[in-house]
Amino acid sequence: AQKVTQAQTEISVVEKEDVTLDCVYETRDTTYYLFWYKQPPSGELVFLIRRNSFDEQNEISGRYSWNFQKSTSSFNFTITASQVVDSAVYFCALRSVNTGKLIFGQGTTLQVKP
Amino acid sequence: DGGITQSPKYLFRKEGQNVTLSCEQNLNHDAMYWYRQDPGQGLRLIYYSQIVNDFQKGDIAEGYSVSREKKESFPLTVTSAQKNPTAFYLCASSIVLAKSTDTQYFGPGTRLTVL
Repeated sequence: AQKVTQAQTEISVVEKEDVTLDCVYETRDTTYYLFWYKQPPSGELVFLIRRNSFDEQNEISGRYSWNFQKSTSSFNFTITASQVVDSAVYFCALRSVNTGKLIFGQGTTLQVKP
Repeated sequence: DGGITQSPKYLFRKEGQNVTLSCEQNLNHDAMYWYRQDPGQGLRLIYYSQIVNDFQKGDIAEGYSVSREKKESFPLTVTSAQKNPTAFYLCASSIVLAKSTDTQYFGPGTRLTVL
């Protein structure tokens, strides 16, 4: 079975704090892809990053960074120096090579207070 | 501007009525998808299509129907058989379904409320 778990339902931080969103996945596939999406209050899902299972290099994009650890089946997302505009629901997703389906976690609601 | 458009943004329907949600893309993507999102939950796949005139059921297809007569368009009909249709509906598209490197891009969504 394939599954994505985002254990943090809601997180609230004050602006400029760093925050990490956790994502743990389950799959028996050796090849798979992991994604993070942002859903602002407007509702549209915005693609943030894609990672394949063979690439465990961490990635940094501005204030965003991602830590992929295959040994713990985790793909965590860190926002450094958070801003109010970061307030949104963040989804982690897993795409299997075999089924082609995108499996979403439940999402983490991040509230950044000024 | 390339992108995915969904209309309308808000839709109200009386019980027992069918309603069709529009999804159009000008990204020249082959694959298109419909998802349903309920409050506090992740997205669940309703239907997807890899090519014109072909589509497959997702995880929660009961009470829904789709068509793919044009590459750019993938309308979703919520029928009266759908027992709990009030939800947020998101359409997505990607280059090629078969290759798992493709990334799905989403439209702005349609919020359907059954009165």
